[in-house]
Amino acid sequence: DIQMTQSPSSLSASVGDRVTITCRASQSISRYLNWYQQKPGKAPKLLIYTASNLESGVPSRFSGSGSGTDFTLNITSLQPEDFATYYCHQSYSTPLTFGGGTKVEIK
Amino acid sequence: EVQLVDSGGGLVKPGGSLRLSCAASGFSVSSFGFNWVRQAPGKGLEWVSSISTSSNYIYYADSVKGRFTISRDNAKNSLYLQMNSLRAEDTAVYYCARDKDDILSGYSVWGQGTLVTVSS
Repeated sequence: DIQMTQSPSSLSASVGDRVTITCRASQSISRYLNWYQQKPGKAPKLLIYTASNLESGVPSRFSGSGSGTDFTLNITSLQPEDFATYYCHQSYSTPLTFGGGTKVEIK
Repeated sequence: EVQLVDSGGGLVKPGGSLRLSCAASGFSVSSFGFNWVRQAPGKGLEWVSSISTSSNYIYYADSVKGRFTISRDNAKNSLYLQMNSLRAEDTAVYYCARDKDDILSGYSVWGQGTLVTVSS
């Protein structure tokens, strides 16, 4: 099974900050890495698919990069509505797996 | 509006069964692959199962293989998850999720989730 390791598991940031979340796969997954945002009590929302493609309707302050085993989600100029938990997800091979999540909190 | 509505959750005793449903509106399920993803209370996301457009390809997590069955009814525009031999560790919110384009491209539409509680 492919293990997905996210870091950090949590972070505190201020509105306007730039935030970087990383996700490492235990083996190469090409570019089949997706990012989701989840707010408490709500379903996850797709932000980025296949490493760097911005989902329709998602603000351009979100961006993704990477390939192989190392991936990054960047949020430029953090907004109040961005405080949430973020998950990476590999869709390269079954069993499909998610990272443990990164909780972005208000400093 | 493109929407998925999850239902069928509830309280069930260990060893019992439940059937979850996911009703789609605003699009035809026949054109997409679907998935079930669960989230135990206070925990992260866990993939449970996937089914292809034609039901030719079906996959399960090892933790549910042999106990859960995913299916779809294109005529009813719905997806299902039959859960048997339920265990306490199956307690979670269960979400159905639609492939964006295919199994490789992430899940672009999610249901609101339905809570399954396994307890005596």
